[in-house]
Parts: sequence; C-alpha cells; structure tokens
Amino acid sequence: QPQLQESGSGLVRPSQTLSLTCAVSGDSLSSGGYSWTWIRQAPGKGLEWIGYIYHAGSTYYNKSLKSRVSISLDMSKNQFSLNLRSVTAADTAVYYCARGKFYMDVWGKGTTVTVSS
Amino acid sequence: DIQMTQSPSTLSASVGDRVTITCRASQSISTWLAWYQQKPGKAPKLLIYDASSLESGVPSRFRGSGSGTDFTLTISSLQPGDFATYYCQQYDSSSTYTFGQGTKLEIK
Repeated sequence: QPQLQESGSGLVRPSQTLSLTCAVSGDSLSSGGYSWTWIRQAPGKGLEWIGYIYHAGSTYYNKSLKSRVSISLDMSKNQFSLNLRSVTAADTAVYYCARGKFYMDVWGKGTTVTVSS
Repeated sequence: DIQMTQSPSTLSASVGDRVTITCRASQSISTWLAWYQQKPGKAPKLLIYDASSLESGVPSRFRGSGSGTDFTLTISSLQPGDFATYYCQQYDSSSTYTFGQGTKLEIK
C-alpha cells in the first residue's frame, strides 16, 4: 500500500509563501495513471480541494486559489510540492496530500500550518 | 463551478440504526461522485467511488447510490466506529473537484 508523508514549515508569516512537500513511498510518481493532490481543512471546517498535478506535469487548481498556488513534481525524489503565496490567517489549516484517480484513495496524515506573525 | 450540498449537516442516530446522507450537485455529474469518512484528527478515508463502487476493505453496510444530481450514502446498521463526519466529492469534466460541506454523524 502506498504511503504519503507531508512535511514543511508549520508556521508561516503573513504575506510569505507556504511551502510543503509530500514524499511518496510504495508507488512511483512517474508510473502514470494518478493525480497527486493537495487538500486542506481549516480548523473546524470542511475539506477544500487545492489542486493536483499529473505525472506529465499538467496542473489543475481551485479557481479561488489559482492566482497564488503552484504544484510541482520532483521525480528524482519521488515527491511533489505545494507553494501558496501571499498567505493570510485564512490559510491556516491542516494540509493533506493524496493520490487520486478523480477520487482520492490514499492520503497522508496531514500537516498543520499556522499563518501568524 | 459545480456546488455540492449535503444534508443533513448533523445526524443523530443509535448503534444498529439505518441512516442515509444526501448529496446534491448543482448540475449533472453523471456518477462522478465519491464518499469519504473522516474521524477527528485523522485523514479522510475513501468509502465509495463512482457513486456506488465500494472501496476495497470497506464493509458492505456502506452503500452508495444515485446519478445525475442526487446521491445518497446509506449505512445499513450503524456500528460504533461509524460515528464520524462524511463528505461527498464530485469530479467533473472540467477536471476540478468539489467537496460537500460534510455531515456529522453523532451518537443519539
């Protein structure tokens, strides 16, 4: 069973860039057939899809975040990354990475990111 | 953009009850719908995909149905571990995803 593990800074200053990485084991990003997805959940709120990337590099983003977000692949390390620019307190959330095939069948445990000065 | 509306937001039930959660899409999504279960402090877990296909390892008391704009998740006989929050998620032809707002299933 594949495993995904998020890592990155747990505290980000307002207006700075949030950067997270998802390390994948038990599957290869280059094998194709899956999208590699980021999802977040603000405290006490529901799930919000951020975006995903295919192995060929094509990306799809939530319209509400599109101007600030980018997702990229690092095939050599078998990991993918999320960058979210110009963060505010509203970006405070648990961030999950997941493997997808339209639906997400394997999830990381999540990492908490707090935006605060 | 396609909006997903779940009902109810909160549902109180007892062990052994049969419960149904509804998810409505703002436009037709064929059967491009998944259901997830999330317990506090944990990542969501896939239960159902393509509206009615049971994910491997998920108990058969979970059943999904529907197509077009109206979908349901039915749990036939609630077990103690089923008390959690449930989300629907659509995946449409525009390659974007949307989650419902969630239904919290509580012990009565």
